[in-house]
Amino acid sequence: AAGVIQSPRHLIKEKRETATLKCYPIPRHDTVYWYQQGPGQDPQFLISFYEKMQSDKGSIPDRFSAQQFSDYHSELNMSSLELGDSALYFCASSLAATVVPYEQYFGPGTRLTVT
Amino acid sequence: DAKTTQPTSMDCAEGRAANLPCNHSTISGNEYVYWYRQIHSQGPQYIIHGLKNNETNEMASLIITEDRKSSTLILPHATLRDTAVYYCIVRPPMEYGNKLVFGAGTILRVKS
Repeated sequence: AAGVIQSPRHLIKEKRETATLKCYPIPRHDTVYWYQQGPGQDPQFLISFYEKMQSDKGSIPDRFSAQQFSDYHSELNMSSLELGDSALYFCASSLAATVVPYEQYFGPGTRLTVT
Repeated sequence: DAKTTQPTSMDCAEGRAANLPCNHSTISGNEYVYWYRQIHSQGPQYIIHGLKNNETNEMASLIITEDRKSSTLILPHATLRDTAVYYCIVRPPMEYGNKLVFGAGTILRVKS
């Protein structure tokens, strides 16, 4: 079965540079979520989108922005990178939920290293 | 979000059942219990969820106490590949969003 695709899988950037992470959800999934997992930490929710609109927002820095496109793929844009942004970034997708929360399916993640 | 409490770590012998407890004493009547696991540095993987009744799927069983203040995830025949961090997550009704709030999970080590 098709899974969530993330690209790139690994990314190395220097401080103050910008980075763009891409996420392609499972076919027919219309909701996308971004999570950040720092070294030794648990995943933390950043932001989510449904039908190209932001649906929820977590602890996402102002330096980060994200959007969802008409084909449902999403991009996370990160500017003025800091050393502390080094982390695994996971994208997840699900069907839009109305009453019962749907399970989310996670991609393999993008490992961002800021030097 | 309702707080969950899980043991920091557990060991299990290969082939035996792994029983992972979770305490969620402040859970509300319309909040679901979800379990995910994360094998080292991979994306979290959905396991199972439930509201009031016990649930079973091809991966695991979920036993929820009658008062819903605690639950147990059961992996019936643990294998080495089940070594992972297991997260018990209480999810609020949809009007509060569909995000997952990961707390400190249980590190399960399956040993041969």
